[in-house]
Amino acid sequence: GAGVSQSPSNKVTEKGKDVELRCDPISGHTALYWYRQSLGQGLEFLIYFQGNSAPDKSGLPSDRFSAERTGGSVSTLTIQRTQQEDSAVYLCASMPQTNTGELFFGEGSRLTVL
Amino acid sequence: GDSVTQMEGPVTLSEEAFLTINCTYTATGYPSLFWYVQYPGEGLQLLLKATKADDKGSNKGFEATYRKETTSFHLEKGSVQVSDSAVYFCAFAWGVNQFYFGTGTSLTVIP
Repeated sequence: GAGVSQSPSNKVTEKGKDVELRCDPISGHTALYWYRQSLGQGLEFLIYFQGNSAPDKSGLPSDRFSAERTGGSVSTLTIQRTQQEDSAVYLCASMPQTNTGELFFGEGSRLTVL
Repeated sequence: GDSVTQMEGPVTLSEEAFLTINCTYTATGYPSLFWYVQYPGEGLQLLLKATKADDKGSNKGFEATYRKETTSFHLEKGSVQVSDSAVYFCAFAWGVNQFYFGTGTSLTVIP
């Protein structure tokens, strides 16, 4: 597709379960970001991938969160042993190598932990 | 630490009214400044940006000027339309991996 694609769009899970969220960035975009948006909060940076460089994981809130990016394209954000405070919208964005400063966002994955 | 503060919403305006959404940032130095917009059912998209002091970003009738003296980047539009109803996010960035976003301001324009 032409834009950033995220799946699932909605996920309801029980506390303690693991979840995987997928992001398919725009073809050719070298940079990929994960953000989290909780109710009434701004976008919280989670992790940043740039090409083959080591990712910037400085925003991951705990060791239950991890992310990988395979082949410089698709990325998966994994949350282990989910907690209710993990409930949020998880946003993925990509940016081309030309670095215009413009992030291209997906529509997000809404995670609800019961 | 670095942060963005933007006007809380929700904001409700009549069509053709003047819009201002205030945004100030806290950062050392001079980052690039952005406004992103999220229309209902869509992902965030860049509305406008400014990369240095006194620059004015503009798009779709919206404008914002980079004011280093007041560390502000207020969004304005002279005459809003129903189609402008969306959530607006102010942001700044250092380089490519340090984007800071505000909490968003919801705008509803009524006919």
